[in-house]
Order: sequence, then structure tokens, then C-alpha cells
Amino acid sequence: GQQLNQSPQSMFIQEGEDVSMNCTSSSIFNTWLWYKQDPGEGPVLLIALYKAGELTSNGRLTAQFGITRKDSFLNISASIPSDVGIYFCAGRINAGNNRKLIWGLGTSLAVNP
Amino acid sequence: KAGVTQTPRYLIKTRGQQVTLSCSPISGHRSVSWYQQTPGQGLQFLFEYFSETQRNKGNFPGRFSGRQFSNSRSEMNVSTLELGDSALYLCASSPSDGANEKLFFGSGTQLSVL
Repeated sequence: GQQLNQSPQSMFIQEGEDVSMNCTSSSIFNTWLWYKQDPGEGPVLLIALYKAGELTSNGRLTAQFGITRKDSFLNISASIPSDVGIYFCAGRINAGNNRKLIWGLGTSLAVNP
Repeated sequence: KAGVTQTPRYLIKTRGQQVTLSCSPISGHRSVSWYQQTPGQGLQFLFEYFSETQRNKGNFPGRFSGRQFSNSRSEMNVSTLELGDSALYLCASSPSDGANEKLFFGSGTQLSVL
């Protein structure tokens, strides 16, 4: 099925560093969502984006809806150990009855204290 | 407000058996979606229910089925289990209040097929 290209696949960084990850698609999306999943738990919504060019922050997290509507970016500033987990992007095309979310394969983040 | 509740948390079955997983959505949420998650494969969409009707369906065989009750609680069933069905099954609810809806996930049911 259709998937988003999410990169990088994994990251290993030092505590205090900034992190950037992104998702790209060949399709235009109307909604972008960013989730974080801790081991053994379900994904938790971090940020939702609804307009091209929109820039939204949630604490140390900032996400942007790309101008082309085919990509989105998530940045984490000053990483801490609890940022460890898998980050997923998801996009939605609202076309008629097609309202399914398309998911990236995730970016696994490890933070070295 | 209580979150999405999935039961059981862990399940071990053998090939050929069938299994039923349960999901209670956030109070007031009318839509329930099910996903299968395996390492390296991300989240694969199974189906979505809204007001007791299946609204969307993913590309899974007919062995995977679901239903939603009048109180929005949902169950999914997998019959004739195969080894490849071992996965984390996630349920997500949403208020289904329009195009900007967000999904809220439960902790999942970890299914192991031996």
C-alpha cells in the first residue's frame, strides 16, 4: 500500500543535541500528524498540522507542514533521555470517502545521557 | 477522561486457533480504527468502524474481521491464526468530528502465535 518516506530510519545522539526528521510523499496531503511511541505502548500524538506552511510547537518539539504539501518536518531541541522512542509521521488525503491515514515506517531515536 | 482501553494486554495462541481482541474508545468518540504493527513494517491499517458500520478497510485477508457495538466499543477477530499474525494490534479512537480528526491509541494487545 501507499507509504510515506520517513527519514532517517534511526538516530543515535548525545543528550542536549537537536534532532531533525522528515517525511515525504508523492501525494499531496491535507493533514500531517506526528506521533511518538514508547516501547510496549501505543503511539501518542505530538503535533497535528492542517495548513501548508504551518509551523507548530509543543514544548521542545516543532513541526512544519511543507509548502508543497508533500512533506513535513519534526525538530526536537535540546534532547533529553526521555525523548527515546520511535517517531511516526502520518498524512491524510481528504478526498471523498478516502480518509485513511498513510503512515511512515518511523524514526527510532536513541539518546546517550 | 479515560483513554483508549485494549484487552487483553498479552495473548499467546497456537496456529489454527482464533482470537478476539477488545477495544473501548475514549468516551464520546464514535470512530474506532485497528492497526497491526510488526517490527520494521510500521502501522498497517486493518479497518475503521463508525456508528457500528465499517467505513474503511485495509488490505488484509478475510480471516481478519471486526465489529462495533452501539456503545462504540469494538472487537476484532482473527481466525485460523498463522505464525505471521504475531504482532502488536493497536486500536485508536477519534471523535470523527470532521477532516481534522486525530487518532488516540490504546496500549495495544501483543499477540504471539506459536
